[in-house]
Amino acid sequence: AQKVTQAQTEISVVEKEDVTLDCVYETRDTTYYLFWYKQPPSGELVFLIRRNSFDEQNEISGRYSWNFQKSTSSFNFTITASQVVDSAVYFCALSLVNTDKLIFGTGTRLQVFP
Amino acid sequence: DGGITQSPKYLFRKEGQNVTLSCEQNLNHDAMYWYRQDPGQGLRLIYYSQIVNDFQKGDIAEGYSVSREKKESFPLTVTSAQKNPTAFYLCASSIRPGGLGSPLHFGNGTRLTVT
Repeated sequence: AQKVTQAQTEISVVEKEDVTLDCVYETRDTTYYLFWYKQPPSGELVFLIRRNSFDEQNEISGRYSWNFQKSTSSFNFTITASQVVDSAVYFCALSLVNTDKLIFGTGTRLQVFP
Repeated sequence: DGGITQSPKYLFRKEGQNVTLSCEQNLNHDAMYWYRQDPGQGLRLIYYSQIVNDFQKGDIAEGYSVSREKKESFPLTVTSAQKNPTAFYLCASSIRPGGLGSPLHFGNGTRLTVT
């Protein structure tokens, strides 16, 4: 069975702190895609990053970085020097090549206080 | 600008009434999706469509119906058979079916309240 677990329901930090959002996935497939989405208070989900299962290279985009480790089935997301605008719900998701379904985790609500 | 438009943003209905949620995209995407979001449960797939005049049930299709008569439009009807219809509904699209790794583009959602 395929599953995405985001064990952190809610995280609160003070501005400028670094924060890591955890994502653990389960699948027996060897080819798959992993995603992170951000859901601000306005409601729409915003695509942040996609990784395929053959690319374990970590990625950095500004203050955002992602650590993909197949050995631990994890795809963690770190925000460096957090800002109030980072406050949102963040979802990790898994997509398999033999289906059209995107399997979402339950999300992590991040609150960044000034 | 291209995007996905969901309307209305808030919808109130009496129990026993069917209600249709609108979703329109001008991204020229082939695939469209409907998700339901409940507090603490993430997003669950209701229905999806890869091409016009074709759609498949997702994980929680009971009590819902869809149509895909045009590439741009994928309306969702919440029927009276849906036992717990109050939720936040999100429509999404992707340039290709999700199995090929295409990211989803989401609308702003419709919050449905049934009393």
